[in-house]
Amino acid sequence: EVQLLESGGGLVQPGGSLRLSCAASGFTFGSFAMTWVRQAPGKGLEWVSSISGLGGSTYYANSVKGRFTISRDNSKNTLFLQMSSLRVEDTAIYYCARRGAVADPADYWGQGTLITVSS
Amino acid sequence: DIQMTQSPPSLSASVGDRVTISCRASQGIGNSLAWYQQKPGKAPKLLLFAASRLEIGVPSRFSGSRSGTDYTLTISSLQPEDFATYYCEQYYNMLFTFGQGTKLEIK
Repeated sequence: EVQLLESGGGLVQPGGSLRLSCAASGFTFGSFAMTWVRQAPGKGLEWVSSISGLGGSTYYANSVKGRFTISRDNSKNTLFLQMSSLRVEDTAIYYCARRGAVADPADYWGQGTLITVSS
Repeated sequence: DIQMTQSPPSLSASVGDRVTISCRASQGIGNSLAWYQQKPGKAPKLLLFAASRLEIGVPSRFSGSRSGTDYTLTISSLQPEDFATYYCEQYYNMLFTFGQGTKLEIK
């Protein structure tokens, strides 16, 4: 069974940093692209970032480019999102999800982790 | 960036009704369009991909179609468990975009 479990969420001050993790199981992690999607409270879905299976290609939404870094450790079946220079508008539930290839739909999603950026 | 304009923002319907939700892409995306269902407090769930292909395990009352840059999700006969929010997503290029969502409520 495919499982994705995010962790690392919490309360952070504006300008602060946080690293999210997503532990994957039930599939050959390195064979799949992965993605982060966020959802602000009461709002719609927003794609944040994606990474190819081997980690050699990364992609970012304009809203986070230069502030967020996606990475993965295929030996530990774990996806990461390093977030810095956080803004109030980054407050959201962050979901990790699996894509077959980078330009594929997201077929499995984690339960999400909440990031609150507030002073 | 490719914009996805989804309509309507909300929809009230009854069990057994046929409903349609639309998404329009700001430029051609071929069949690179997915539909997701999200229930309150839960992660999104993939329903259809490639505009009209049903994800494994999704009931056949869900269907998708395309006409040019217009995409439609149809639920042929609403069931109680279908009341949720639905999103389209284009995955044509590496800058994915979602529609604004359609909240399907019980009339």
